[in-house]
Amino acid sequence: GAGVSQSPRYKVAKRGQDVALRCDPISGHVSLFWYQQALGQGPEFLTYFQNEAQLDKSGLPSDRFFAERPEGSVSTLKIQRTQQEDSAVYLCASCRGGHEQFFGPGTRLTVL
Amino acid sequence: KQEVTQIPAALSVPEGENLVLNCSFTDSAIYNLQWFRQDPGKGLTSLLLIQSSQREQTSGRLNASLDKSSGRSTLYIAASQPGDSATYLCAVYQNFGNEKLTFGTGTRLTIIP
Repeated sequence: GAGVSQSPRYKVAKRGQDVALRCDPISGHVSLFWYQQALGQGPEFLTYFQNEAQLDKSGLPSDRFFAERPEGSVSTLKIQRTQQEDSAVYLCASCRGGHEQFFGPGTRLTVL
Repeated sequence: KQEVTQIPAALSVPEGENLVLNCSFTDSAIYNLQWFRQDPGKGLTSLLLIQSSQREQTSGRLNASLDKSSGRSTLYIAASQPGDSATYLCAVYQNFGNEKLTFGTGTRLTIIP
């Protein structure tokens, strides 16, 4: 099945390290989203792409967070100089414009 | 700013009972509303999408309703089963041109065999 895939599934980083999280959306889905989910909370929006254009990055918590989707397919969320408060599950979702979003399994990031 | 609330935060019911999960939102000018389930340590599985022009959607034992004017949605689960145990999240789309979802904090449902 060609669902949304994310890698790695788990990432442990030492404080101060840079990390890169990958998302492969469903083929043909023009919209791609990143969300952050803290333990016991609902996901919170980080950023949104339509094809390769980043249309909304209002949810990125600091300038240490950067996302890209250079060819309008695979996306990478990069976190520089990780902090303990960055520990969370990072979820990627994709959709055809205006329709239901389909989520990947997430990447659980733990910053020590 | 849109705020989405789900009450109760946790619910336990015996197997076989029908149940209702609630979702409320502060800004009624929404585009769509989507219900998800999340199993521990897993991603989100889409259950139902209700467009703003619709009042309800059904899928198997699940029925979701939407009342935009009162800012409420409910998810009805009939004849509950232990496999229904999960966290249920509702999320709203604000505008067609901006498709980000605003989520509630979820209801953790436990079905007791």
